[in-house]
Amino acid sequence: GAVVSQHPSWVICKSGTSVKIECRSLDFQATTMFWYRQFPKQSLMLMATSNEGSKATYEQGVEKDKFLINHASLTLSTLTVTSAHPEDSSFYICSAPRGSGNTIYFGEGSWLTVV
Amino acid sequence: QKEVEQNSGPLSVPEGAIASLNCTYSDRVSQSFFWYRQYSGKSPELIMSIYSNGDKEDGRFTAQLNKASQYVSLLIRDSQPSDSATYLCAVTGFGGGGYNKLIFGAGTRLAVHP
Repeated sequence: GAVVSQHPSWVICKSGTSVKIECRSLDFQATTMFWYRQFPKQSLMLMATSNEGSKATYEQGVEKDKFLINHASLTLSTLTVTSAHPEDSSFYICSAPRGSGNTIYFGEGSWLTVV
Repeated sequence: QKEVEQNSGPLSVPEGAIASLNCTYSDRVSQSFFWYRQYSGKSPELIMSIYSNGDKEDGRFTAQLNKASQYVSLLIRDSQPSDSATYLCAVTGFGGGGYNKLIFGAGTRLAVHP
């Protein structure tokens, strides 16, 4: 079964609005979660590392004020795309390490369409 | 130089054949290596992980790692049409919070034809 769950699976929002995506670890605690973005026919690009109880670590070129990350508990991280624009339309995927080998498991992904 | 490189493909193999997928990485300190399978429009799913030099077999899948050559590969035996997907090679890089973040290659698209 699923190890990491994301919600919503897909969302359509109007340009200029904000949308929140949730990522939950199921049956395990995740002090760290990772957020990726994937455009069609391209690979996954790491956006940021979400750290429970502290600020997220953003990858170079990712606007921290536009992509707000909150990791308020050991099982939940949220990504909020603020003032969304059509170019933010993409597949957003979260992941979390689990187990002694820190194998990383992915959520189901969230399709965002900004119109 | 890209950190993780893969041939984008498509790699086309007949059903029942062996599919060989290759990946090279640039960071010598990488310790963990993963192969993920991603169907179109879906999230990646873990196929294999490998941490030490040599071969690791799991069912029809065999991962091979050569740290000296900075090379990791995935062999799929008895390929099936359902194996048709994009295969992503991922290598750990140091991330925040003490955990290793995954760096992905662009993926190789595999097409298994009947």
